[in-house]
Amino acid sequence: DTAVSQTPKYLVTQMGNDKSIKCEQNLGHDTMYWYKQDSKKFLKIMFSYNNKELIINETVPNRFSPKSPDKAHLNLHINSLELGDSAVYFCASSQDPARASPLHFGNGTRLTVT
Amino acid sequence: GQQVMQIPQYQHVQEGEDFTTYCNSSTTLSNIQWYKQRPGGHPVFLIQLVKSGEVKKQKRLTFQFGEAKKNSSLHITATQTTDVGTYFCAGPPYNQGGKLIFGQGTELSVKP
Repeated sequence: DTAVSQTPKYLVTQMGNDKSIKCEQNLGHDTMYWYKQDSKKFLKIMFSYNNKELIINETVPNRFSPKSPDKAHLNLHINSLELGDSAVYFCASSQDPARASPLHFGNGTRLTVT
Repeated sequence: GQQVMQIPQYQHVQEGEDFTTYCNSSTTLSNIQWYKQRPGGHPVFLIQLVKSGEVKKQKRLTFQFGEAKKNSSLHITATQTTDVGTYFCAGPPYNQGGKLIFGQGTELSVKP
């Protein structure tokens, strides 16, 4: 059984469009994250939710809006997509962030904006 | 802001050679974690070190956490083609639990 699953795996779209990425975890973890990995493979945290509450919100454009309907799901909606948004977006979850529990990553969504 | 630097960025080795990647933080870390990302894959957790000076081994992989808890290293003995991938260190600064700061990663390629 997949622990952290995200869809779609690939997303190709044009500038100005709005798109969403969905993430679900079946590990029973309270905390979920969105990370962005650029072309140089640098992993940067974007958001973190703990039991549906936003706890980390890095310097991310307002065009990015996360939503957590319950603690097992964390979706990412992106408005007015720009070329610079092209990257791989990883969802992750952890058991106890206060103790820096290891992250369990999803397979990633490769977003290409043309 | 807090930074985690990792060197080298790339390492090309012949199969059977050893490999080491180094991780340095600008601030003291409460612990250090290491992840491996295969080409086209996602980061996978390898190990976590918590204590100052701690050393842990996983088969051919040896992980160290510095005495000051600001640096760490991963050493692979006698690399194999299955070791190919990007290795990331990550750590949360003290008093910032939950916010893992990742190094830039070291991409390892192994020539058979």
